[in-house]
Amino acid sequence: DVKVTQSSRYLVKRTGEKVFLECVQDMDHENMFWYRQDPGLGLRLIYFSYDVKMKEKGDIPEGYSVSREKKERFSLILESASTNQTSMYLCASSPAGGETQYFGPGTRLLVL
Amino acid sequence: QKEVEQNSGPLSVPEGAIASLNCTYSDRVSQSFFWYRQYSGKSPELIMSIYSNGDKEDGRFTAQLNKASQYVSLLIRDSQPSDSATYLCAVNMRSGGYQKVTFGTGTKLQVIP
Repeated sequence: DVKVTQSSRYLVKRTGEKVFLECVQDMDHENMFWYRQDPGLGLRLIYFSYDVKMKEKGDIPEGYSVSREKKERFSLILESASTNQTSMYLCASSPAGGETQYFGPGTRLLVL
Repeated sequence: QKEVEQNSGPLSVPEGAIASLNCTYSDRVSQSFFWYRQYSGKSPELIMSIYSNGDKEDGRFTAQLNKASQYVSLLIRDSQPSDSATYLCAVNMRSGGYQKVTFGTGTKLQVIP
C-alpha cells in the first residue's frame, strides 16, 4: 500500500516567516509533486520533481521553492510567508512512467 | 479556456439514481484521463483511469471517453449517500517538454437519501 505522509495536518504561521512543509513517500516513487488547493481554483501544481536533486516549476511557483535531497522526501519551502499563501497543500507521488498520483493527507496552512 | 473544465455543481441526485459527471479538455493529443474522488477534508484518491475511446466499467462506475469531442465522463450507477464527494477530472497533458497531469476544479456530487 502506497503511503504518502506530510509533516503537519494544520499549521499557523506569521507573515514573513520561513515555512517548511515536508512530504515523505515509502514506495520508492521517482516522481513527486506539490499542489495547493483553493475553493473554486482546484488543484494547482506548484513544483514537481522526477528525480533526486531535480526540480521543475509548475503553474504557480512564485513565492515557493523546493528541495529533493533524497528520493523519498520532497520539501516545499515558503521563503517569506504571505497571507495569500493560506491554503491546503497537497503532496503526491507516482512511479516512473506512471500517471496515477497518490496523495498525502494534506497540510492546511494559515498565514496570519 | 481552461485546460480541464468541469461544472462545479453541486449535482444532486436521489439515492439509487445514475449520476453523470462531465469533463472537457483542451489538449487534443492528451492520451490519459483520470477520475479522482475527494471527500470533504480528505485528499483525492483515484477511482478510474481511461486511455481509449469508449466505455470502461468498474463496478458501479463507468468512465466514457470521446477524444474527437475532447470529452470524458463518469457515470455512477445506483448512487449511494457514500458517493457524496467532489469528483476531479484529470488529464495528462504536455507542458514545457514534460507530461503533467492537469486537474479540473471538480464537481460536487450530493446523493440525497
